[in-house]
Amino acid sequence: AQKITQTQPGMFVQEKEAVTLDCTYDTSDQSYGLFWYKQPSSGEMIFLIYQGSYDEQNATEGRYSLNFQKARKSANLVISASQLGDSAMYFCAMREYDYKLSFGAGTTVTVRA
Amino acid sequence: DGGITQSPKYLFRKEGQNVTLSCEQNLNHDAMYWYRQDPGQGLRLIYYSQIVNDFQKGDIAEGYSVSREKKESFPLTVTSAQKNPTAFYLCASKGGQVGQPQHFGDGTRLSIL
Repeated sequence: AQKITQTQPGMFVQEKEAVTLDCTYDTSDQSYGLFWYKQPSSGEMIFLIYQGSYDEQNATEGRYSLNFQKARKSANLVISASQLGDSAMYFCAMREYDYKLSFGAGTTVTVRA
Repeated sequence: DGGITQSPKYLFRKEGQNVTLSCEQNLNHDAMYWYRQDPGQGLRLIYYSQIVNDFQKGDIAEGYSVSREKKESFPLTVTSAQKNPTAFYLCASKGGQVGQPQHFGDGTRLSIL
């Protein structure tokens, strides 16, 4: 069974607008972590934001925020004030007890001027 | 600057040939990982190592081998048994704290001649 599901293969967003990328996860662990990475066309993976399962506050890092809804098992990424440089593929990933990461299939974001 | 260096950036393999991808880190991380990424897909775990002289198979280890003789180095060999090796390969490392993200190298693109 898929541990991480990203249902949006691709999205378009207007520059300066906000965009929400969906991520749902499946785990029976009580302790786990959720990560979002950005992959530009050049291929490197850039860490954006982390949410631990016991964290009560939603994580924020600059223009990135993570909308964590534990009961629904969702960890959506919100990018505010989109910039042209935000055009990339975005991956949601989950760390379980064994410290391995499971990645979703990714969402391609294209920012339009 | 601390980081992860993967080499070469591009690699071509002939039929029946083994090739080795290099991954070196100077972040003093204990854990290292190898992932495979096919076009438009997420990352899949090949092998990982949590400590020197020890490593475990990931989800798609068949046709690959690794070694971890030094903390800094985690080379991946793509053997002739891997019938479809054309992919983008990413190496990552991680520090000890629970919320620490995996840090990635810039990747190696492997193609069949």
